[in-house]
Amino acid sequence: DVKVTQSSRYLVKRTGEKVFLECVQDMDHENMFWYRQDPGLGLRLIYFSYDVKMKEKGDIPEGYSVSREKKERFSLILESASTNQTSMYLCASRESGNTEAFFGQGTRLTVV
Amino acid sequence: ILNVEQSPQSLHVQEGDSTNFTCSFPSSNFYALHWYRWETAKSPEALFVMTLNGDEKKKGRISATLNTKEGYSYLYIKGSQPEDSATYLCAFYSGAGSYQLTFGKGTKLSVIP
Repeated sequence: DVKVTQSSRYLVKRTGEKVFLECVQDMDHENMFWYRQDPGLGLRLIYFSYDVKMKEKGDIPEGYSVSREKKERFSLILESASTNQTSMYLCASRESGNTEAFFGQGTRLTVV
Repeated sequence: ILNVEQSPQSLHVQEGDSTNFTCSFPSSNFYALHWYRWETAKSPEALFVMTLNGDEKKKGRISATLNTKEGYSYLYIKGSQPEDSATYLCAFYSGAGSYQLTFGKGTKLSVIP
């Protein structure tokens, strides 16, 4: 079974803190993605990576950065957390080409 | 940003009823259309990956059809059960040169026992 594991299920952080969300996949997928999910807005792509050290902006990259130093790990970084970044964050991975995505269990981040 | 629309946004059905919902997507640069089911407190899981116009896929009581010329896909659930309660997401993949799936906002289905 493909596994995509996110480091935390729930997280509470203070405004201005630097926040790291970690994601690890065990199926040697080239592509990894970070989405956020908000009520009424669906899944929106923040960043993705198609190879180690490669990254591309998604639809809503502002306030975020990412790191992919190893193929299996993709980190989302909130440089200075703000309350409007309170959301559910989902990591996904997939092989290249037309293949299904596999998702982590999600991290519900609350910024206070 | 590609426009992928799902309707309705939510619906409630009685156990045993059949239901369907729609995903509309750009008909140009089409490569594939994915359907995912997202149950509460779980990860989204793929139901179908569809590529051919006229394609019809089935998994148990759930089936999906695809019309790439007019840019829509239907998801059908026959004889809904409470365990079918979930958010159903469709995702558009435009293929060559693109790595990302563009998701619709989802249809939230509640099946009332």
